Amino acid sequence: AQKVTQAQTEISVVEKEDVTLDCVYETRDTTYYLFWYKQPPSGELVFLIRRNSFDEQNEISGRYSWNFQKSTSSFNFTITASQVVDSAVYFCALSEPEETSGSRLTFGEGTQLTVNP
Amino acid sequence: SQTIHQWPATLVQPVGSPLSLECTVEGTSNPNLYWYRQAAGRGLQLLFYSVGIGQISSEVPQNLSASRPQDRQFILSSKKLLLSDSGFYLCAWATRVLRSTDTQYFGPGTRLTVL
Repeated sequence: AQKVTQAQTEISVVEKEDVTLDCVYETRDTTYYLFWYKQPPSGELVFLIRRNSFDEQNEISGRYSWNFQKSTSSFNFTITASQVVDSAVYFCALSEPEETSGSRLTFGEGTQLTVNP
Repeated sequence: SQTIHQWPATLVQPVGSPLSLECTVEGTSNPNLYWYRQAAGRGLQLLFYSVGIGQISSEVPQNLSASRPQDRQFILSSKKLLLSDSGFYLCAWATRVLRSTDTQYFGPGTRLTVL
């Protein structure tokens, strides 16, 4: 069975600080996909990144960066120079492709990030 | 570009009343469709998914049912609501890709309160 753990329930930082959100996953498959989503107060989940298990290259997108390490089953997310607009709940998710289409996402419990001015 | 709509945005219903939440997708064909529920707290739970018209897979046996009468329409229903059905319901779509996974994109959600 697959499982995603986001041990940090809540994180509070001051604007311009860097912050890292942790994500640890469990799966028995060798092929899988990892995702991060952002849920602002409005409620809609916004897709941030998708990474497959064969691509361990770290990725940077503006102030966002992701560190994927298969050896520790982690897919951590760092926000550099945080801003108030980054305040949201962030979800890490795992998906295993299936023989027929319809792959399902397993979500972590989410991390509430609050960035204070 | 693709868009996903959900309605209503908010709903307050008495216990025992019926429910119908609708989700529609525009700008794509043959999508996979998903219903999730987010209870107070945080985690998202997959309720149903569909890979085609009339094809529904249930993840968690419960008081709810789903239907897909058209390619881009997904409906979540209940005959009699329970207090425990309260929550935030999210619909999502993804491109159908055999033996792989495409990104799921979520709608704005429906906030349901059962009193």
